[in-house]
Formats: sequence, C-alpha cells, structure tokens
Amino acid sequence: AQSVTQLGSHVSVSEGALVLLRCNYSSSVPPYLFWYVQYPNQGLQLLLKYTSAATLVKGINGFEAEFKKSETSFHLTKPSAHMSDAAEYFCAVRRNTGGFKTIFGAGTRLFVKA
Amino acid sequence: EAGVAQSPRYKIIEKRQSVAFWCNPISGHATLYWYQQILGQGPKLLIQFQNNGVVDDSQLPKDRFSAERLKGVDSTLKIQPAKLEDSAVYLCASSTSSGSPTDTQYFGPGTRLTVL
Repeated sequence: AQSVTQLGSHVSVSEGALVLLRCNYSSSVPPYLFWYVQYPNQGLQLLLKYTSAATLVKGINGFEAEFKKSETSFHLTKPSAHMSDAAEYFCAVRRNTGGFKTIFGAGTRLFVKA
Repeated sequence: EAGVAQSPRYKIIEKRQSVAFWCNPISGHATLYWYQQILGQGPKLLIQFQNNGVVDDSQLPKDRFSAERLKGVDSTLKIQPAKLEDSAVYLCASSTSSGSPTDTQYFGPGTRLTVL
C-alpha cells in the first residue's frame, strides 16, 4: 500500500536559514505527491504537487520540492525561512481506490526563531 | 471565490451524545471529502462523495458515523453516539472532480470536537 513517512515531527530553524522538511514515500507505481501547509486553527492549503511533468516542483510562498525516484523522496525546501512560515506541514500521496484517496503523513511542525 | 464553509467551528459534548457537522463546498465542486484529524496526526479520510454518491467510505466507522450529501451540494457528518476517541478536528474538503489524481483539494477551517 502507498504511504508517506515524514522524518522529524518538529523542525526548528532561524529566520533566514534554509528550511528542509523530509518526506519519503512507498509506492509500487509512480506516485502522485503533495505538500500541504496548515496554520493554527485553519484547514490545509496546497503548497505544491508532483504531476510527473518535472522532478523539481515550485510552489507557493517560495517553497519547492524535488522528486527523487532513486531515493523515494519528495523533500520540501525553502532557501530562506520567514517567521510567517511557522506552521504544520504535511506530505501526502494519492492512490487509486476508485476515487484517488489521499494518504497524509503525520506532519512536521516548523518553528522559526527570530 | 468563496471557500469551503464548515459549521460549527467548535463543539463540546459528553460521551454517548450525538453531534452533527455541516459542510458547504465550493460552488461547482463535484467531489466532497470528510477527514478526521486527531491531534498530532495527519488527516484521515472518512468518506468521499462524487456528487451525491459515495466513492469511498472504507474508513468510516459505520456503527456510529454517518454522512450524507443530499442534492450533491451540502453535506452533513453525524456521530451517534460519540466516544472519547472521537475527539478530533473534522475537516471538509472539495475538488472539481475525482477524475484526475492531481485534482486540488480545497479545505475548510474544520470543526474541533471535544468529547468529555
């Protein structure tokens, strides 16, 4: 079965530093991968998605992710963290159950220090 | 464009009571999802509708949870009777269709349920 594993339930970075949030997937077929962000007391918002068109995917708010088949990874990065990036981030994979069910990782909470 | 609306935002009940949540998806979106998000975990799909038909309800505890989407627009999720372990945020999402695996899901703000 397809699933995703997010390494690190909490990540802390300084403002201006590189953000790296890790996600590994397990899939026997080419996956459909997503990153979502969730701010406190809000629903999830799509950051970016991998659609097999390009391995480097650019999303909103300066985030990007690179699909690496050899490593079964889809890590999320941002060159320079901003205080407003503090939130919970979820990696997700979509699998075909007749309606493309989305399976979410456990999430990584990002803290940004001034 | 108006987003996905959910109500209420917060609900506190005692175990064995009943509760209902309401969701109004984005206009024109054929697919509607209900997720359960327990504290510290990612959202888990409970049920997915395509128009007013059920596509996937494999993880819906049918002995206590029910959901309907009359007329293919609004949806209601009900829990009867509630258990302590039902404490969670219930998220509603919608998308244009389930035909593409890369359809974007748009999420509502969620309903935070506390069962005492």
